Amino acid sequence: RKEVEQDPGPFNVPEGATVAFNCTYSNSASQSFFWYRQDCRKEPKLLMSVYSSGNEDGRFTAQLNRASQYISLLIRDSKLSDSATYLCVVNDLQAGTALIFGKGTTLSVSS
Amino acid sequence: EAGVTQFPSHSVIEKGQTVTLRCDPISGHDNLYWYRRVMGKEIKFLLHFVKESKQDESGMPNNRFLAERTGGTYSTLKVQPAELEDSGVYFCASSQLRTSGTDTQYFGPGTRLTVL
Repeated sequence: RKEVEQDPGPFNVPEGATVAFNCTYSNSASQSFFWYRQDCRKEPKLLMSVYSSGNEDGRFTAQLNRASQYISLLIRDSKLSDSATYLCVVNDLQAGTALIFGKGTTLSVSS
Repeated sequence: EAGVTQFPSHSVIEKGQTVTLRCDPISGHDNLYWYRRVMGKEIKFLLHFVKESKQDESGMPNNRFLAERTGGTYSTLKVQPAELEDSGVYFCASSQLRTSGTDTQYFGPGTRLTVL
């Protein structure tokens, strides 16, 4: 079983749509959770950290359910510029600070 | 402020040859990480330096890979001899040193290695 699993997509949505990505992680000791964004042939960039209480940054909302070991990312009012691969990332601080990545979910927003 | 830089951006070598990748972290970042993405797979951790010391090298695939960070500044990752399965994108990341919790890791643009 993969440590971090994501639906690879692709998700093809029109501009203005709302889209949700899901992610599950296998290590219950995981302590830090993130969504990274990666554009084609570019480096991963931190989109947002994910907290147990849920957090929002503009059009982006992230949720964490520790009991279910489930992380989500909701994007509202999709823009063309949101097209990218979204990487679910976790970390078990007790094991070190290395990040553990999912394979990513590809989003394509069209006009 | 300059970001993480990596050199070269691309490298094409033949099986059995040696390649050395370089990473310059963000100035002042004591943590330096190497990751690799093999085609069709997720990004995977290779190793972690704190300043010049190897903190965790549990992700290094085998002894053909040698990482160094002399002086605690830039780091090199040498693959010798290279094999076909070493092809992929090698990312370097850096972060500040914190006594607790985790700090944001900033990634470099990666080195795309192709072994023929």
